[in-house]
Amino acid sequence: HVQLQESGPGLVRPSQTLSLTCTVSGGSISSGSYYWNWIRQPAGKGLEWIGRIYPSGSTNYNPSLKSRVTISVDTSKDQFSLKLYSVTAADTAVYYCARAMAGILTFDIWGQGTMVTVSS
Amino acid sequence: QSALTQPASVSGSPGQSITISCTGTSSDVGGYNYVSWYQQHPGKAPKLMIYEVSNRPSGVSNRFSGSKSGNTASLTISGLQAEDEADYYCISYTSGSTLVVFGGGTKLTVL
Repeated sequence: HVQLQESGPGLVRPSQTLSLTCTVSGGSISSGSYYWNWIRQPAGKGLEWIGRIYPSGSTNYNPSLKSRVTISVDTSKDQFSLKLYSVTAADTAVYYCARAMAGILTFDIWGQGTMVTVSS
Repeated sequence: QSALTQPASVSGSPGQSITISCTGTSSDVGGYNYVSWYQQHPGKAPKLMIYEVSNRPSGVSNRFSGSKSGNTASLTISGLQAEDEADYYCISYTSGSTLVVFGGGTKLTVL
């Protein structure tokens, strides 16, 4: 069965770039009609959708983050990645990658999440 | 402030039933049957419990059910068990620019 695993630095300095990768295992990122998403959750708070990418490279972003976000995909490695630029303490959160079936925005498979702290 | 409104907390005793509401607008919950519900235990990733308003993924207990009336979706858990104690989030597709909107989450306490 398909599993997702986030990886990347747990500490990022303010004004720097947060970079995370999600590796898909147990299946191909290109198979089926799925979007691949990034979602985050500050400690003790709710969930926030960051954006998504289709294997073709087509993306959609949350308008509140759009100016600072890039999501990319590497189908040869079954990976997709997140870059969040010019981070501040407000970007400190657990970051999840998740799969969603195209068209219905249901997140059926999630990674375990990775904590990213923005601090000097 | 979340786009979808959920009660901050609900509670119930083992064996009882509880319902968690999720209120949106005609641009999201009321306009589409793309409401899903997620269970999140502390320190864990959310788990899909209900999709497309009332469908259960394989492996999810039939004690969990979903429904919708107008702009409000609901998650009902029957025969409450201690393991059901968790946070629950609703998510809906939206015709707005964000594509998806979230509820603020509801903490379920099993007394």
